[in-house]
Amino acid sequence: DGGITQSPKYLFRKEGQNVTLSCEQNLNHDAMYWYRQDPGQGLRLIYYSQIVNDFQKGDIAEGYSVSREKKESFPLTVTSAQKNPTAFYLCASSIGAGMKETQYFGPGTRLLVL
Amino acid sequence: AQKITQTQPGMFVQEKEAVTLDCTYDTSDQSYGLFWYKQPSSGEMIFLIYQGSYDEQNATEGRYSLNFQKARKSANLVISASQLGDSAMYFCAMREASGTYKYIFGTGTRLKVLA
Repeated sequence: DGGITQSPKYLFRKEGQNVTLSCEQNLNHDAMYWYRQDPGQGLRLIYYSQIVNDFQKGDIAEGYSVSREKKESFPLTVTSAQKNPTAFYLCASSIGAGMKETQYFGPGTRLLVL
Repeated sequence: AQKITQTQPGMFVQEKEAVTLDCTYDTSDQSYGLFWYKQPSSGEMIFLIYQGSYDEQNATEGRYSLNFQKARKSANLVISASQLGDSAMYFCAMREASGTYKYIFGTGTRLKVLA
């Protein structure tokens, strides 16, 4: 079955530690996205990538980094510079980046700080 | 600036009845797309329905329909014959043809279907 997988489901981070969230899709989609969701709020865009080896900052990129070395994969690293990382992280992909293109989401990773 | 507003933090509906979830938007673009997503307690965002700004007909997908009133800048989701499994958070989102490729999301409405 085609879809988007995210791992792990839960992730714990210690102070000063970098952690990486995995996102993989087998939908053959060109565009991929990372969102952060805080309680009572909608989704906010962290980073997006329209093609391999290219990505752009979203609204809240500070303290995060990404890479897009393969079409199927778009990992997100939460660095120690992100002072409030506790949130629900959602990865999404779309066939392209046009206005009509529907984004499809993975199951999410919940990040907690120890 | 583009913005999505969902003014109903929570809604209740009786099983088998219809319910309308409100969404208003603000954009200066003439070309844009409007989306509704459902987020169950598991967390995954599930795409429900899409409406383009130039679409003359209101979009429908099974029990979901979108009441699109362009002049009022509203894109309300109508769920007919509510089911217990419809209990979830519902998000309205917008994407403009110009500018970046991001979606703008509203803050969501929590729907509870009562047996």
